[in-house]
Amino acid sequence: RKEVEQDPGPFNVPEGATVAFNCTYSNSASQSFFWYRQDCRKEPKLLMSVYSSGNEDGRFTAQLNRASQYISLLIRDSKLSDSATYLCVVSSGYSSASKIIFGSGTRLSIRP
Amino acid sequence: AAGVIQSPRHLIKEKRETATLKCYPIPRHDTVYWYQQGPGQDPQFLISFYEKMQSDKGSIPDRFSAQQFSDYHSELNMSSLELGDSALYFCASSSTSGGRPDTQYFGPGTRLTVL
Repeated sequence: RKEVEQDPGPFNVPEGATVAFNCTYSNSASQSFFWYRQDCRKEPKLLMSVYSSGNEDGRFTAQLNRASQYISLLIRDSKLSDSATYLCVVSSGYSSASKIIFGSGTRLSIRP
Repeated sequence: AAGVIQSPRHLIKEKRETATLKCYPIPRHDTVYWYQQGPGQDPQFLISFYEKMQSDKGSIPDRFSAQQFSDYHSELNMSSLELGDSALYFCASSSTSGGRPDTQYFGPGTRLTVL
């Protein structure tokens, strides 16, 4: 079992739809959580950090559930430009020696 | 804003050759991470450096080595290259001086092809 697991995808949804991804992690000592997006053949780009209280950035909302050890990403009013692979990233600590684990990514395709 | 710089962007080598990849972190970032991403795979952590010292080690083969220099740039040295080393190699950097210390920012990657 991988330390960080994501919805397998791919998700294919129409423009304007709301889509949600989940990510579970196995290390209860994990401290920091992030969502990155990665376009084909490009580098991962930070989308959002995920805080305990949940956080929102425009159309994007991230939630953390420590008890169940999962994080989620909700995208509202999806745009064609949201098509990408979304990577869940979990870190075991706050220091520079933190162990960073990537999920395998969830592919999202928005259709007109 | 300045981003992470990687060079070269593309590299073609033959089996058993050596390769050196370079990474220049965002200014004032003190930590550098190296990742390998094969086709259709998620990024696999190789190694990281903080203040020029190795801080963590992942699935880095013994044929690979890396270091961080006094100007914080890092180099990944790969020897006895194998076909399976063909991948996209990302460098990421982060800062421990404010904000969340392990938020990583990625460079554009070096695409290594081993023939």
